[in-house]
Amino acid sequence: EAGVAQSPRYKIIEKRQSVAFWCNPISGHATLYWYQQILGQGPKLLIQFQNNGVVDDSQLPKDRFSAERLKGVDSTLKIQPAKLEDSAVYLCASSSLTGELFFGEGSRLTVL
Amino acid sequence: KQEVTQIPAALSVPEGENLVLNCSFTDSAIYNLQWFRQDPGKGLTSLLLIQSSQREQTSGRLNASLDKSSGRSTLYIAASQPGDSATYLCAVKANYGQNFVFGPGTRLSVLP
Repeated sequence: EAGVAQSPRYKIIEKRQSVAFWCNPISGHATLYWYQQILGQGPKLLIQFQNNGVVDDSQLPKDRFSAERLKGVDSTLKIQPAKLEDSAVYLCASSSLTGELFFGEGSRLTVL
Repeated sequence: KQEVTQIPAALSVPEGENLVLNCSFTDSAIYNLQWFRQDPGKGLTSLLLIQSSQREQTSGRLNASLDKSSGRSTLYIAASQPGDSATYLCAVKANYGQNFVFGPGTRLSVLP
């Protein structure tokens, strides 16, 4: 069974530029999460989808971050314009019916 | 609001030792608790999932216990090996359909 796929693995941009990350969850997983992980900390939820609907986006900085999951499968997270403090690893995860969480390898963003 | 803490922040042990990692959470009304391993520059790998009705789960040299009344979980690693060196994170889920709240992790070093 294929795991959670994410791309790109690494991205370096300058502040005020835009960036997009893509995620394809495990087949059949209805729930998809985007987390932000800053070095030395645990992941922090940005947004949670159930199929193509948003369940929780209370911690998403909506003035610069956006995410969509149009067909209820893969998802895109966008940052525009990026700030220095957005440098982090962006992790995508999906969960099974048992509630177990599975993560992708992450996308490491460096904002200069 | 659920808060998750992990003590110690870092731990160094000689190879072959048995060790215990701790996870504490403030709200005992949880749906499940999951332990993860994270290697540097990688995503999170699921180790064990404990449902709220369970007291423990075992996988190989790993044993995780859950005591909801005291808001604690422990991850026991038997006969530690250098390959066990990684950061170990726990995460709790309040209800089915809600997101996981993560602890900051314990960075484990097993010395040969």
